[in-house]
Amino acid sequence: QQPVQSPQAVILREGEDAVINCSSSKALYSVHWYRQKHGEAPVFLMILLKGGEQKGHEKISASFNEKKQQSSLYLTASQLSYSGTYFCGTPSSGGTNAGKSTFGDGTTLTVKP
Amino acid sequence: DTAVSQTPKYLVTQMGNDKSIKCEQNLGHDTMYWYKQDSKKFLKIMFSYNNKELIINETVPNRFSPKSPDKAHLNLHINSLELGDSAVYFCASSPVGGRASPLHFGNGTRLTVT
Repeated sequence: QQPVQSPQAVILREGEDAVINCSSSKALYSVHWYRQKHGEAPVFLMILLKGGEQKGHEKISASFNEKKQQSSLYLTASQLSYSGTYFCGTPSSGGTNAGKSTFGDGTTLTVKP
Repeated sequence: DTAVSQTPKYLVTQMGNDKSIKCEQNLGHDTMYWYKQDSKKFLKIMFSYNNKELIINETVPNRFSPKSPDKAHLNLHINSLELGDSAVYFCASSPVGGRASPLHFGNGTRLTVT
């Protein structure tokens, strides 16, 4: 089962903040976040491995709540370059499905000047 | 110094034809994947190879056959192409399979079946 992302789309002005959520009905062992610009490949942003872990990359950060089986991606003071579709990926724990990542259906972020 | 490269970038073909997509990674990764992204941008895993060995084979029609001649290459051959095969196919690699390994994607192959 794929994780559910919300919202499906968001439009911002430069400098505004956004939050993208990723929820799973199954236990999460880790969460990966990717950004895909139009016509390009998804690019890895960050990975969260432990419950409660928070990571940051410039003005993009994320949190992981293992108990609630969800992760959130925070984009602060958004820039035009942040535009794209954001995916959360939830890899399996291991075994024969090691490395299998199930992706949410994406959140399209548009940042306008 | 491209990390994961796929060829061709675009592939337009008619129903019933057979086509191949090639993928190579120079990252030294052990695990490679094929993902399919449909028109709604949904990314779904198709296959995964670890050191040339098939470890994940999702519910994909038999017309799709991956081949890994060595751990740096993973090719995808598709027989008897159908309209529903139209999509963007991404090759990806990771250091090892598992929850701590981020995926490095190639630039994708846009397949259009007419």
